[in-house]
Amino acid sequence: EDKVVQSPLSLVVHEGDTVTLNCSYEVTNFRSLLWYKQEKKAPTFLFMLTSSGIEKKSGRLSSILDKKELSSILNITATQTGDSAIYLCAVIEYGNKLVFGAGTILRVKS
Amino acid sequence: EAQVTQNPRYLITVTGKKLTVTCSQNMNHEYMSWYRQDPGLGLRQIYYSMNVEVTDKGDVPEGYKVSRKEKRNFPLILESPSPNQTSLYFCASSFEGDTEAFFGQGTRLTVV
Repeated sequence: EDKVVQSPLSLVVHEGDTVTLNCSYEVTNFRSLLWYKQEKKAPTFLFMLTSSGIEKKSGRLSSILDKKELSSILNITATQTGDSAIYLCAVIEYGNKLVFGAGTILRVKS
Repeated sequence: EAQVTQNPRYLITVTGKKLTVTCSQNMNHEYMSWYRQDPGLGLRQIYYSMNVEVTDKGDVPEGYKVSRKEKRNFPLILESPSPNQTSLYFCASSFEGDTEAFFGQGTRLTVV
């Protein structure tokens, strides 16, 4: 059965800390991996990763895919309270089926 | 403004009473899909559609129906809702199935 596992399930950090969120996957026909941020409403897109070893960056957020290890990490540096959210990892398979992980709940305290 | 619009945003209904949640996108996207989100389980795909008149089951299709008669609309139908379908539902669309998905604002459904 295809699955995407995220860890940790939740964490609490202080403003200014750096966090690393993990996503590992077991899917039949991997095509790409996506990261989303979900605050109180709909998930919003962060990154899409297709090639192994190439880092994607956007401000304080960055992500990288390791196809050998079937995993990806999302880094957030100098965290702010506005980073508090659920971070979702999803894998797209050939055939366009999308499988989401359960998410990591991040809370940043001031 | 490019968006995915779901209606209603909140719905409380009784067991067995048929309901439809509408989803419409104005981005001319080929791919549309429905998800339900439950605590600890993340988002699970119910159905997806790669184009008009083409629909496929996701991971949890039981108890749901969809149709794609027009490119912009992808309604989710619950013929006989049950309490275990109480959940937060999201519709999403993307240009193709392997590109970023844009999500609607969600529909919180309670079946009593």
